[in-house]
Amino acid sequence: GESVGLHLPTLSVQEGDNSIINCAYSNSASDYFIWYKQESGKGPQFIIDIRSNMDKRQGQRVTVLLNKTVKHLSLQIAATQPGDSAVYFCAESHFGNEKLTFGTGTRLTIIP
Amino acid sequence: DSGVTQTPKHLITATGQRVTLRCSPRSGDLSVYWYQQSLDQGLQFLIQYYNGEERAKGNILERFSAQQFPDLHSELNLSSLELGDSALYFCASSPVGGSGNTIYFGEGSWLTVV
Repeated sequence: GESVGLHLPTLSVQEGDNSIINCAYSNSASDYFIWYKQESGKGPQFIIDIRSNMDKRQGQRVTVLLNKTVKHLSLQIAATQPGDSAVYFCAESHFGNEKLTFGTGTRLTIIP
Repeated sequence: DSGVTQTPKHLITATGQRVTLRCSPRSGDLSVYWYQQSLDQGLQFLIQYYNGEERAKGNILERFSAQQFPDLHSELNLSSLELGDSALYFCASSPVGGSGNTIYFGEGSWLTVV
């Protein structure tokens, strides 16, 4: 069945450094990928998305990279801030399909 | 604030009982989704409603049911509760069909079954 997994459950990064969170997916039919951020006590918040016809997309301080060959997705956060501390989830679906399949999450801790 | 409202925020109940979780979607959103988040299963899609009709079904147990009312709010009913049902239940909404970035999540309802 389809599954989305994360390489590392926890990640600690010094404030100001860049962080990279990785995600592997197994469904080769997936064509839409999303990163969500979940802060303590809150629901998942959309960060950035990417379609399978792209291999890179940039937002404000965030970049998502997609490697379809090895079915790998990564989220890069530049110049990390304390507010970036959260659990980050990748999710996948088919574009236009409402169902999201989430990974297990990576807890990012920013060290002051 | 995502605009999706869930009640109650916390709920403690005994095994065998039944509870109802309520969700008000963002104004104008027609689709409502329910997700379950537990420590060992992560975020699992349960069910989606669109304008009152069931649209998609995920890993929802037979003991669970949901509905979306004419005013577009939704309820998730959990019955014959077991300890393993303890989890955070999220409601999300989107204008029509979601495509990730248009799905907005509420802050969840913490259910503890004792």
